[in-house]
Amino acid sequence: AQKVTQAQTEISVVEKEDVTLDCVYETRDTTYYLFWYKQPPSGELVFLIRRNSFDEQNEISGRYSWNFQKSTSSFNFTITASQVVDSAVYFCALSEAYGNNRLAFGKGNQVVVIP
Amino acid sequence: NAGVMQNPRHLVRRRGQEARLRCSPVKGHSHVYWYRQLPEEGLKFMVYLQKENIIDESGMPKERFSAEFPKEGPSILRIQQVVRGDSAAYFCASSPSSAMNTEAFFGQGTRLTVV
Repeated sequence: AQKVTQAQTEISVVEKEDVTLDCVYETRDTTYYLFWYKQPPSGELVFLIRRNSFDEQNEISGRYSWNFQKSTSSFNFTITASQVVDSAVYFCALSEAYGNNRLAFGKGNQVVVIP
Repeated sequence: NAGVMQNPRHLVRRRGQEARLRCSPVKGHSHVYWYRQLPEEGLKFMVYLQKENIIDESGMPKERFSAEFPKEGPSILRIQQVVRGDSAAYFCASSPSSAMNTEAFFGQGTRLTVV
């Protein structure tokens, strides 16, 4: 069963528009962590944020913001005023209490920012 | 501080050859994870090792793939008799423990191409 679902595959936006990426997760654990990673065209994985299951406080960091809602098992990510450098694949991931810290990744969202 | 180092960054092998992928974890980290990213896919967990021990290999193909993390030296992911379907990016991550609240750091990946 897919533990992390990212429904949108490719999203194109015009520069300066906002873009929101949806992530829905599935777990039976009450303790878990959620992550967002960015993979630019160069291919490396860039860590963006980690949230534990007991911290539903939403966060804003620069142009990035996250909306964590346990009631709907969602951990959405928004880029405000997108820039061309934001063009990348974004992955949502889940780490569960008894998973030895291994990550289950979604299939990713390809974000294309058009200048 | 050096992060996770993977080499080579790119590896080309002919069908039937062996591929050896190396991962040097962050200094002091004794836990290593290998992930595989097939084209257009998210990362999939392969194996989790702690110094000299395989802890979880539930994501490893049953044949041709093996991994080790010796007491001295890097972790090695070995693929014998490679086939076209093995072409993928292989990422290594390391962490100081398996506890959920410790962050895993990713290397830049090795891109294997089988011709």
